[in-house]
Amino acid sequence: AQSVTQLGSHVSVSEGALVLLRCNYSSSVPPYLFWYVQYPNQGLQLLLKYTTGATLVKGINGFEAEFKKSETSFHLTKPSAHMSDAAEYFCAVSAKGGADGLTFGKGTHLIIQP
Amino acid sequence: DTEVTQTPKHLVMGMTNKKSLKCEQHMGHRAMYWYKQKAKKPPELMFVYSYEKLSINESVPSRFSPECPNSSLLNLHLHALQPEDSALYLCASSQSQQGDSTDTQYFGPGTRLTVL
Repeated sequence: AQSVTQLGSHVSVSEGALVLLRCNYSSSVPPYLFWYVQYPNQGLQLLLKYTTGATLVKGINGFEAEFKKSETSFHLTKPSAHMSDAAEYFCAVSAKGGADGLTFGKGTHLIIQP
Repeated sequence: DTEVTQTPKHLVMGMTNKKSLKCEQHMGHRAMYWYKQKAKKPPELMFVYSYEKLSINESVPSRFSPECPNSSLLNLHLHALQPEDSALYLCASSQSQQGDSTDTQYFGPGTRLTVL
Protein backbone atom coordinates (compact mmCIF):
# COMPACT_ATOMS: atom_id res chain seq x y z
CA ALA A 1 0.00 0.00 0.00
CA GLN A 2 1.06 3.55 -0.62
CA SER A 3 0.67 6.58 1.60
CA VAL A 4 1.95 10.12 1.95
CA THR A 5 2.46 12.24 5.03
CA GLN A 6 2.40 16.00 4.85
CA LEU A 7 4.21 17.69 7.72
CA GLY A 8 2.43 20.79 8.93
CA SER A 9 -1.28 21.32 8.43
CA HIS A 10 -0.67 25.09 8.19
CA VAL A 11 2.38 26.92 6.85
CA SER A 12 2.68 30.70 6.98
CA VAL A 13 5.28 32.66 4.99
CA SER A 14 5.77 36.30 4.10
CA GLU A 15 5.19 37.50 0.57
CA GLY A 16 8.47 37.14 -1.33
CA ALA A 17 9.84 34.46 1.02
CA LEU A 18 10.70 30.86 0.21
CA VAL A 19 7.83 28.39 0.26
CA LEU A 20 8.61 24.87 1.49
CA LEU A 21 5.84 22.29 1.85
CA ARG A 22 6.92 18.87 3.08
CA CYS A 23 5.75 15.48 1.86
CA ASN A 24 7.12 12.05 2.74
CA TYR A 25 5.92 8.89 1.10
CA SER A 26 5.67 5.24 1.96
CA SER A 27 5.50 2.77 -0.87
CA SER A 28 6.34 -0.86 -1.48
CA VAL A 29 6.86 -0.15 -5.17
CA PRO A 30 8.42 2.79 -7.01
CA PRO A 31 5.94 5.56 -6.38
CA TYR A 32 4.40 8.06 -8.69
CA LEU A 33 4.07 11.33 -6.81
CA PHE A 34 1.95 14.39 -7.43
CA TRP A 35 1.33 17.82 -5.96
CA TYR A 36 -2.11 19.37 -6.41
CA VAL A 37 -3.39 22.80 -5.36
CA GLN A 38 -6.97 23.55 -4.36
CA TYR A 39 -8.33 27.08 -4.11
CA PRO A 40 -11.44 27.68 -1.98
CA ASN A 41 -14.59 26.09 -3.39
CA GLN A 42 -12.76 24.74 -6.43
CA GLY A 43 -11.50 21.44 -7.75
CA LEU A 44 -7.86 20.33 -7.74
CA GLN A 45 -5.23 21.54 -10.17
CA LEU A 46 -2.05 19.61 -10.87
CA LEU A 47 1.11 21.53 -10.02
CA LEU A 48 3.63 18.85 -10.96
CA LYS A 49 4.29 15.13 -10.93
CA TYR A 50 7.17 12.70 -10.63
CA THR A 51 7.07 9.43 -12.53
CA THR A 52 10.58 8.35 -13.53
CA GLY A 53 13.72 10.05 -14.76
CA ALA A 54 14.83 13.47 -13.57
CA THR A 55 14.39 13.83 -9.83
CA LEU A 56 13.96 17.61 -9.93
CA VAL A 57 10.53 18.33 -11.34
CA LYS A 58 9.39 21.77 -12.42
CA GLY A 59 5.72 22.64 -12.40
CA ILE A 60 3.38 25.51 -13.01
CA ASN A 61 3.36 28.88 -11.22
CA GLY A 62 7.08 28.65 -10.36
CA PHE A 63 6.79 25.56 -8.16
CA GLU A 64 9.23 22.69 -8.21
CA ALA A 65 9.79 19.50 -6.22
CA GLU A 66 12.68 17.11 -5.77
CA PHE A 67 12.25 13.35 -5.44
CA LYS A 68 14.72 12.00 -2.88
CA LYS A 69 14.55 8.23 -2.62
CA SER A 70 17.05 8.07 0.25
CA GLU A 71 14.82 10.37 2.32
CA THR A 72 11.49 9.10 0.89
CA SER A 73 10.59 12.74 0.34
CA PHE A 74 8.99 14.89 -2.33
CA HIS A 75 8.99 18.41 -0.90
CA LEU A 76 7.43 21.28 -2.83
CA THR A 77 9.26 24.62 -3.08
CA LYS A 78 8.86 28.04 -4.61
CA PRO A 79 11.61 30.67 -4.33
CA SER A 80 9.33 33.66 -3.81
CA ALA A 81 5.79 33.48 -2.44
CA HIS A 82 2.99 35.49 -3.97
CA MET A 83 -0.31 36.38 -2.37
CA SER A 84 -2.09 34.32 -5.02
CA ASP A 85 -0.32 31.17 -3.76
CA ALA A 86 -2.56 31.07 -0.69
CA ALA A 87 -4.44 27.79 -1.01
CA GLU A 88 -4.58 24.17 0.15
CA TYR A 89 -1.83 21.93 -1.19
CA PHE A 90 -2.10 18.17 -1.41
CA CYS A 91 0.65 15.65 -1.99
CA ALA A 92 -0.60 12.42 -3.58
CA VAL A 93 0.79 9.01 -4.48
CA SER A 94 -0.16 6.31 -6.92
CA ALA A 95 1.34 2.90 -7.56
CA LYS A 96 0.13 2.70 -11.14
CA GLY A 97 -0.05 6.28 -12.26
CA GLY A 98 -3.63 7.06 -13.10
CA ALA A 99 -5.13 3.63 -13.27
CA ASP A 100 -5.62 3.02 -9.56
CA GLY A 101 -6.67 6.45 -8.35
CA LEU A 102 -4.71 8.71 -6.04
CA THR A 103 -4.08 8.54 -2.30
CA PHE A 104 -3.80 12.03 -0.87
CA GLY A 105 -2.00 13.41 2.13
CA LYS A 106 -4.00 15.42 4.65
CA GLY A 107 -3.11 18.70 2.99
CA THR A 108 -1.19 21.82 3.96
CA HIS A 109 -2.90 25.19 4.13
CA LEU A 110 -0.49 27.83 2.86
CA ILE A 111 -0.95 31.31 4.29
CA ILE A 112 0.84 34.27 2.75
CA GLN A 113 1.50 37.24 5.02
CA PRO A 114 1.71 40.65 3.33
CA ASP B 1 -8.98 21.64 -23.67
CA THR B 2 -8.38 20.03 -20.28
CA GLU B 3 -11.80 20.65 -18.81
CA VAL B 4 -13.94 18.34 -16.73
CA THR B 5 -17.41 19.71 -16.08
CA GLN B 6 -19.71 18.75 -13.24
CA THR B 7 -23.38 19.51 -12.69
CA PRO B 8 -24.99 20.69 -10.58
CA LYS B 9 -22.58 22.94 -8.68
CA HIS B 10 -24.69 22.70 -5.54
CA LEU B 11 -27.33 20.19 -4.48
CA VAL B 12 -29.50 20.05 -1.40
CA MET B 13 -31.52 16.88 -0.87
CA GLY B 14 -33.53 15.15 1.77
CA MET B 15 -32.77 11.69 3.05
CA THR B 16 -35.60 10.15 1.04
CA ASN B 17 -34.76 11.83 -2.27
CA LYS B 18 -33.13 10.33 -5.34
CA LYS B 19 -30.75 12.57 -7.24
CA SER B 20 -27.86 12.24 -9.67
CA LEU B 21 -24.53 13.98 -10.14
CA LYS B 22 -23.15 14.32 -13.64
CA CYS B 23 -19.59 14.57 -14.91
CA GLU B 24 -18.48 15.10 -18.49
CA GLN B 25 -15.16 15.31 -20.32
CA HIS B 26 -14.32 15.63 -24.00
CA MET B 27 -10.60 14.94 -23.85
CA GLY B 28 -10.89 11.37 -25.07
CA HIS B 29 -9.95 10.06 -21.65
CA ARG B 30 -10.83 6.44 -20.91
CA ALA B 31 -10.58 6.47 -17.10
CA MET B 32 -12.94 8.40 -14.86
CA TYR B 33 -13.06 8.71 -11.09
CA TRP B 34 -15.32 9.81 -8.25
CA TYR B 35 -13.82 11.23 -5.08
CA LYS B 36 -15.52 12.44 -1.91
CA GLN B 37 -14.04 15.36 0.01
CA LYS B 38 -15.31 16.30 3.44
CA ALA B 39 -14.60 19.79 4.77
CA LYS B 40 -10.96 20.36 5.72
CA LYS B 41 -10.06 16.84 4.56
CA PRO B 42 -8.30 15.39 1.50
CA PRO B 43 -10.26 13.76 -1.32
CA GLU B 44 -10.98 10.07 -0.87
CA LEU B 45 -11.34 7.74 -3.82
CA MET B 46 -14.78 6.18 -4.27
CA PHE B 47 -14.91 4.60 -7.73
CA VAL B 48 -12.74 4.15 -10.81
CA TYR B 49 -14.05 3.40 -14.29
CA SER B 50 -11.65 2.21 -16.93
CA TYR B 51 -12.91 1.86 -20.50
CA GLU B 52 -16.49 2.23 -19.21
CA LYS B 53 -16.09 -0.68 -16.81
CA LEU B 54 -16.05 -0.34 -13.04
CA SER B 55 -12.54 -1.32 -12.00
CA ILE B 56 -12.34 -0.06 -8.42
CA ASN B 57 -15.03 0.31 -5.76
CA GLU B 58 -13.54 1.45 -2.48
CA SER B 59 -16.18 -0.25 -0.32
CA VAL B 60 -18.65 2.56 -0.90
CA PRO B 61 -22.18 2.09 0.55
CA SER B 62 -24.80 0.98 -1.95
CA ARG B 63 -26.72 4.24 -1.54
CA PHE B 64 -24.10 5.56 -3.99
CA SER B 65 -24.45 4.01 -7.43
CA PRO B 66 -22.05 4.96 -10.23
CA GLU B 67 -22.81 4.68 -13.90
CA CYS B 68 -20.67 5.24 -16.98
CA PRO B 69 -23.02 5.34 -19.98
CA ASN B 70 -20.23 6.20 -22.44
CA SER B 71 -16.59 7.22 -22.47
CA SER B 72 -17.39 10.91 -21.95
CA LEU B 73 -19.98 10.70 -19.18
CA LEU B 74 -19.94 9.59 -15.57
CA ASN B 75 -22.92 9.70 -13.26
CA LEU B 76 -23.30 9.16 -9.55
CA HIS B 77 -26.83 8.19 -8.50
CA LEU B 78 -27.76 9.02 -4.93
CA HIS B 79 -30.55 7.42 -2.92
CA ALA B 80 -31.43 7.45 0.77
CA LEU B 81 -28.37 9.43 1.75
CA GLN B 82 -27.46 10.37 5.30
CA PRO B 83 -26.46 13.82 6.60
CA GLU B 84 -22.88 12.55 7.01
CA ASP B 85 -22.75 12.12 3.22
CA SER B 86 -22.71 15.90 2.86
CA ALA B 87 -19.44 16.72 1.10
CA LEU B 88 -17.82 17.99 -2.09
CA TYR B 89 -17.98 15.28 -4.75
CA LEU B 90 -15.17 15.54 -7.25
CA CYS B 91 -14.95 13.89 -10.63
CA ALA B 92 -11.66 13.35 -12.44
CA SER B 93 -10.54 11.81 -15.69
CA SER B 94 -7.26 10.56 -17.12
CA GLN B 95 -6.08 9.23 -20.43
CA SER B 96 -5.34 5.77 -19.03
CA GLN B 97 -3.42 4.08 -21.76
CA GLN B 98 -3.51 0.61 -20.21
CA GLY B 99 -0.57 0.27 -17.86
CA ASP B 100 0.63 3.81 -18.47
CA SER B 101 2.18 5.06 -15.27
CA THR B 102 2.41 8.68 -16.34
CA ASP B 103 -1.30 9.40 -16.25
CA THR B 104 -2.45 12.77 -15.01
CA GLN B 105 -5.87 13.12 -13.44
CA TYR B 106 -7.80 16.25 -14.34
CA PHE B 107 -10.39 17.29 -11.78
CA GLY B 108 -13.71 19.01 -12.19
CA PRO B 109 -14.83 21.82 -9.86
CA GLY B 110 -17.02 19.47 -7.85
CA THR B 111 -20.63 19.30 -6.69
CA ARG B 112 -21.24 20.48 -3.16
CA LEU B 113 -23.87 18.18 -1.70
CA THR B 114 -25.88 18.90 1.42
CA VAL B 115 -28.14 16.19 2.84
CA LEU B 116 -30.83 17.39 5.22
